Amino acid sequence: EPEVTQTPSHQVTQMGQEVILRCVPISNHLYFYWYRQILGQKVEFLVSFYNNEISEKSEIFDDQFSVERPDGSNFTLKIRSTKLEDSAMYFCASSGELAETQYFGPGTRLLVL
Amino acid sequence: GQQLNQSPQSMFIQEGEDVSMNCTSSSIFNTWLWYKQDPGEGPVLLIALYKAGELTSNGRLTAQFGITRKDSFLNISASIPSDVGIYFCAGQLVNAGNMLTFGGGTRLMVKP
Repeated sequence: EPEVTQTPSHQVTQMGQEVILRCVPISNHLYFYWYRQILGQKVEFLVSFYNNEISEKSEIFDDQFSVERPDGSNFTLKIRSTKLEDSAMYFCASSGELAETQYFGPGTRLLVL
Repeated sequence: GQQLNQSPQSMFIQEGEDVSMNCTSSSIFNTWLWYKQDPGEGPVLLIALYKAGELTSNGRLTAQFGITRKDSFLNISASIPSDVGIYFCAGQLVNAGNMLTFGGGTRLMVKP
């Protein structure tokens, strides 16, 4: 069964460093998303992406964040200058024609020191 | 931001028992989804609900989308140890694109 994949599974970085989290959505899906989950808390929406542009973003998704679909398969989240409070699990999700039905990847655990 | 109130926060039950959890909101939702999350993994979609009043089953799981579009419940019948995990409801608001708003989760523990 097709699934969303994410790399790396874990990343440790120093505060102020740039990180890029990578995702390969399900191949025929059209909508792509990033969510995050701080340890012990609920999943929070960051951004949605459709037709090569951001369709919606939350207050969390400030100027330090950017997304890109550099080719036909990858979808990336970049954090330009990480802060301690960026430490969280970051989940990529994708959906097809039924845009509301989103399938999540296994996540990247980001730890900012 | 919009809030989904999910209850209970945690449940500790005996294997074989039935389980019920629910979510409520002050806002109307287009779509309601139920996910299960195991430790260190991503949410796995269990059931998707698209119409008010809709009742949908997936094996031992049954979920309903409330008539008012402001609530949903998830039932698990005859629980087994592998049902352990955190269950999240998630809703898509009217006129809010495809953004999902998640509930706080229900942590389910099953005693063999």
